[in-house]
Amino acid sequence: QSALTQPASVSGSPGQSITISCTGTSSDIGGYSYVSWYQQHPGKAPKLIIYDVNNRPSGVSNRFSGSKSGNTASLTISGLQAEDEADYYCSSYASSNTLWVFGGGTKVAVL
Amino acid sequence: QVRLQESGPGLVKPSETLSLTCTVSGGSIISYYWSWIRQPPGKGLEWIGFFYYSGSTNYNPSLKSRVSISVDTSKNQFSLSLSSVTAADTAMYYCARHPTTSGFYSYYMDVWGDGTTVTVSS
Repeated sequence: QSALTQPASVSGSPGQSITISCTGTSSDIGGYSYVSWYQQHPGKAPKLIIYDVNNRPSGVSNRFSGSKSGNTASLTISGLQAEDEADYYCSSYASSNTLWVFGGGTKVAVL
Repeated sequence: QVRLQESGPGLVKPSETLSLTCTVSGGSIISYYWSWIRQPPGKGLEWIGFFYYSGSTNYNPSLKSRVSISVDTSKNQFSLSLSSVTAADTAMYYCARHPTTSGFYSYYMDVWGDGTTVTVSS
């Protein structure tokens, strides 16, 4: 069982916006502004798309945005495109001995 | 551009030790912090351990008694050793980089290797 809780799947039509939630505790998401999000296409390595809650690495589309409220972080994908179909994982720094915790992943389907 | 490449045996017998190497190209291993992460088939990501070339390490408590990370700066490589493996250790294993700012590590991994599959089976 993953330390962070994500919905198993989220779907949307092309052009729509979707939001993926990631719920933790005050020892991880709630305690730090160190949430990151990774996109993983089938058979590929994870790719960083958001870091430190709401920052995008160079080259990542501005259709991806992140936020955090309390113990829950969110990833929003706006203007959904077919290429966004992938698994998305949230991660957070944690004050426990497990420095980094991940969510179980959310499969995004573009209808 | 930094690239990471994992390598090692794809099949390990139960109770034996899993050994993997991550080779860093296009950059120096001493300039960053590094992690190992794994992903069982069809499941999510699990952080294994984190280290700096100076020898500073931190391991996932659930694996701490069985895991060790070492570095060979002359080869720009670092290695993962996981002892007493079982079928539950079957996974894709990734190495990843933590960028640094003024010598401090960042709380995310910005470069990942392609991963290497390890199956534990007799």
